[in-house]
Order: sequence, then structure tokens, then C-alpha cells
Amino acid sequence: GENVEQHPSTLSVQEGDSAVIKCTYSDSASNYFPWYKQELGKRPQLIIDIRSNVGEKKDQRIAVTLNKTAKHFSLHITETQPEDSAVYFCAASSGTGRRALTFGSGTRLQVQP
Amino acid sequence: NAGVTQTPKFQVLKTGQSMTLQCAQDMNHNSMYWYRQDPGMGLRLIYYSASEGTTDKGEVPNGYNVSRLNKREFSLRLESAAPSQTSVYFCASSTSANEQFFGPGTRLTVL
Repeated sequence: GENVEQHPSTLSVQEGDSAVIKCTYSDSASNYFPWYKQELGKRPQLIIDIRSNVGEKKDQRIAVTLNKTAKHFSLHITETQPEDSAVYFCAASSGTGRRALTFGSGTRLQVQP
Repeated sequence: NAGVTQTPKFQVLKTGQSMTLQCAQDMNHNSMYWYRQDPGMGLRLIYYSASEGTTDKGEVPNGYNVSRLNKREFSLRLESAAPSQTSVYFCASSTSANEQFFGPGTRLTVL
């Protein structure tokens, strides 16, 4: 089955700096890669996703890149703000058969004011 | 439009007790899922239902059963709770494009 590895496990940045979180996946059939933000005690919230026919996607201060050959994808947050502090999860799934998500272990991002 | 709802929010059980976690969605999604999240970890799939009337095991199905009651509702049952099942349980549903939306979670403690 799919295996998703996520790094780093914790990341501390100064407000205004950029943050990058990286994930690798094992199943070449995976074609959907979402990112979730989870605040303490809350549900995971989808913040951005990318599909295998696209190399990069942006939404305001957030961008995701995908390298299918290397089987890795990354989340980039620019101009970080204290409210970006949360745990971020990457995930991967196949478009056929079992379409459930396989999650990475999470990155705790702390933005220092 | 409430999205995905779950009941109860919190539950404490003794070892060996049984309970059912309820989940409902009002987004007309075909697929629904149950995940568990242990401290400091990502979410792991317990069971999923690709459509009404079908269910399949996920990564960690042992000790659980599910019922897809209708298109809206997907319940998770613990027949004989064990301390290892202490976790936060999230239900989710997904669009045809596989965008998954999560419920608020049920925090379960088994003593």
C-alpha cells in the first residue's frame, strides 16, 4: 500500500519568513495530493491540493509543488503569520480503487511574532 | 448546510464496553470514511464506504465494525472497547474529485 513520509516534524520560523514542508510517497499510482491544516483540538481543514497532471499550484500565500518522477511534493507558505501556527498534514491517494487518503505524520509549524 | 457532523463529541468507556459513533453528511457525497488519530500522529484509515451499501477495511480495522445506513450516515461500532482504542475518531466524506471534508471528531477514552 501507499506510504507517505513527511519532514520536518517541527518547524519554527519568524513572522514574515517562508516555511517549506516536504513529503514523499511510495505508490506511483497515487494522483491526488492534498494538504490539511489542523489547529489544536479541531478537525483537519483542506487548504490546498494538487493532482498529478499539474506541477505547481498557488493560492495566495500558499503553494504546492509536485515532482512525480521523484515522488515528492512540498507545501510552501510565504510571509508567514502567527495564525499559520498549526499542524500540517500531507496526504496521497489513488484515483481508482481505494480512494481513501494515506497521511503523513504531520509537521508542527510555529510562527514566532 | 452543516457539512459532516459527528456524535458524541466526547466519550469515556470501560474496557469491554461497546458503543457506536455516529456520522452524517448533508453534502450528497457518495464516499465516507472513518479515521483515527493518535497523539502526535497522522490519521489512519479504519474503514471506508465508496457508496451506499458497500464498506471496505482500511489500514487498522481490527476491533471495529461499520454500517452505511444510507447515503447520509456512516456509523462506527466498537463491540468490546480496549485501552488501545483510546483516540480521536474523525469521520469524513468526499466529493467525486476526492476532496475530503472532516467532521469535528469524537474524543474517546477507554479505561
